[in-house]
Amino acid sequence: SAVISQKPSRDICQRGTSLTIQCQVDSQVTMMFWYRQQPGQSLTLIATANQGSEATYESGFVIDKFPISRPNLTFSTLTVSNMSPEDSSIYLCSVISGANVLTFGAGSRLTVL
Amino acid sequence: GENVEQHPSTLSVQEGDSAVIKCTYSDSASNYFPWYKQELGKRPQLIIDIRSNVGEKKDQRIAVTLNKTAKHFSLHITETQPEDSAVYFCAASKRNTPLVFGKGTRLSVIA
Repeated sequence: SAVISQKPSRDICQRGTSLTIQCQVDSQVTMMFWYRQQPGQSLTLIATANQGSEATYESGFVIDKFPISRPNLTFSTLTVSNMSPEDSSIYLCSVISGANVLTFGAGSRLTVL
Repeated sequence: GENVEQHPSTLSVQEGDSAVIKCTYSDSASNYFPWYKQELGKRPQLIIDIRSNVGEKKDQRIAVTLNKTAKHFSLHITETQPEDSAVYFCAASKRNTPLVFGKGTRLSVIA
């Protein structure tokens, strides 16, 4: 399966600031997704990162708050904009590789003060 | 869209006993049903999956069953061990769509 490098692994941020999370994959993948996992909760899909076009956002998530870039088939970024304490979560990059299996990065744990 | 319900939310079993976690899904077009295990502080890891052309799949102590008519699938862990303690997530998807996850089951195996 694909190897995913995600950074930062964790960060503490001030309210009102923005943070960009990077996701690098060791092979070209067509489908790349960003999930959020709030403390003690399940995995919620934020958006599908599309190469060469705008990301596809799920209900409840908007581009202004979570802009996503996908410049090529191995890299994507997710920005969490104008952060508030409610944005404190783990953000996970994931890709479909191999036998159509979803693999997760290690996650980026954000704490917003 | 797809909706996945998972039960129970917590489960405690004695070491050596079996554990069963159940999920239901709403979209009859879904055809892929994986199970993920997430240990504390770690990423979710795929432990087993099943596709709609199969009714049951087994891998050592874990097995998954699928009932497409009833739209439910289950994870069975036999001879549980303390290292099985984790949060387990079921998920469902159809071709070329992202996975939708259940809310998770926290399994505790008591030695």
